[in-house]
Amino acid sequence: NAGVTQTPKFQVLKTGQSMTLQCAQDMNHNSMYWYRQDPGMGLRLIYYSASEGTTDKGEVPNGYNVSRLNKREFSLRLESAAPSQTSVYFCASSETAGANVLTFGAGSRLTVL
Amino acid sequence: GDSVTQMEGPVTLSEEAFLTINCTYTATGYPSLFWYVQYPGEGLQLLLKATKADDKGSNKGFEATYRKETTSFHLEKGSVQVSDSAVYFCALKGANFGNEKLTFGTGTRLTIIP
Repeated sequence: NAGVTQTPKFQVLKTGQSMTLQCAQDMNHNSMYWYRQDPGMGLRLIYYSASEGTTDKGEVPNGYNVSRLNKREFSLRLESAAPSQTSVYFCASSETAGANVLTFGAGSRLTVL
Repeated sequence: GDSVTQMEGPVTLSEEAFLTINCTYTATGYPSLFWYVQYPGEGLQLLLKATKADDKGSNKGFEATYRKETTSFHLEKGSVQVSDSAVYFCALKGANFGNEKLTFGTGTRLTIIP
């Protein structure tokens, strides 16, 4: 089915370890996003890529890096994981940066011990 | 900056009850307003939207009206079903160029009991 695919779905890390969350979309969308979801905080934007070759910081970028590998793929990297980064991470995409509708992946649950 | 405030949950209702989830917003100009729904184990998906004042968005029996005078976009459904159990997020997209990103509320967990 067409949509947004995230991997892995679950991951447990120790403090200081690094990892990369992968995201791919097959809808030929130009814009991609990474959000984190925390209880009582809703979704907060970490980074976004308005188009291939560009990335910009969102509301909570500290501790994260991103790479827009090509039009389909947008990865999120934690270089040195901290317990505060325990969260559920969602990747999303849209036709353009100004588009009204985002399509979300199923989420990746990350626990940092 | 832009912000969205929605009623805290969790909300528990019996099947066929009337549902209202309140949402108010703060933004400059005329933002677009959305309700997204997250079913268990899934990502968010768009439920309905309204892009200008007095517009009514509707889908799957849910409705919400964009009220500029009260800066509100309350979600309603006349008769809920067990399958409506989910987390509901109110969101807005800024009207100004360069501010098109979505701002989400904190979410309201809805549980419908048979």
